[in-house]
Amino acid sequence: QVRLQASGPGLVRPSETLSLTCSVSGDMSRFSWIRQSPGKGLQWIGSFSDGGTPQYNPSLRRRVTILGDTSRKQVSLRLTSVTAADTALYYCARENFAYGFLDSWSQGTLVTVSP
Amino acid sequence: DIVLTQSPGSLTLSPGERATLSCRASQSVNVNFLAWYQQKPGQAPRLLLYAAYLRPTDIPDRFSGSGSGTDFTLTINRLQPEDVGVYYCQQRGASPLTFGQGTRVQI
Repeated sequence: QVRLQASGPGLVRPSETLSLTCSVSGDMSRFSWIRQSPGKGLQWIGSFSDGGTPQYNPSLRRRVTILGDTSRKQVSLRLTSVTAADTALYYCARENFAYGFLDSWSQGTLVTVSP
Repeated sequence: DIVLTQSPGSLTLSPGERATLSCRASQSVNVNFLAWYQQKPGQAPRLLLYAAYLRPTDIPDRFSGSGSGTDFTLTINRLQPEDVGVYYCQQRGASPLTFGQGTRVQI
């Protein structure tokens, strides 16, 4: 069973870059970042798979970078030029290669964009 | 993007009753790539079903799924107080991965 822990600054200034890290205890495979705005639903940001090309949600593609470090067992998220609309609870989750479901989730980490 | 529309938005039932939740896709989704999640207050979502009707080993058989094409259903039999939460469907048949907006279940 894999365990995931998301971490990073809880406050980011507008126009700056949001950076989060997902630490993986278990095998590195495919991992997604998902966010949930306060009181809202779930939005897929993108995914990283070991040996593969990152995939991004087209609505965020211009501002997102997801990288993996298999030696440190970490998956990182960078989101540039943030605005208040990027305030959300951010999760990382393991994605199943064959079926595309998300079977292990981190606890959410709240990121607030505010001056 | 494939838009997933869930209905109803919320429902309130009594313990022991059956809940029927719908997920309708804007275009056909391969049944292998349709999943359901439960999110309890203050928690991360939890996988309930994958491939539309397959249950992970830790999910009780009160939860069942059906459907194909554009219409999928999650059924919760014999509702229990701990089933309170928001239920989401999700597809990975086409990129980007998308979620429905959720159905809130209250008991």
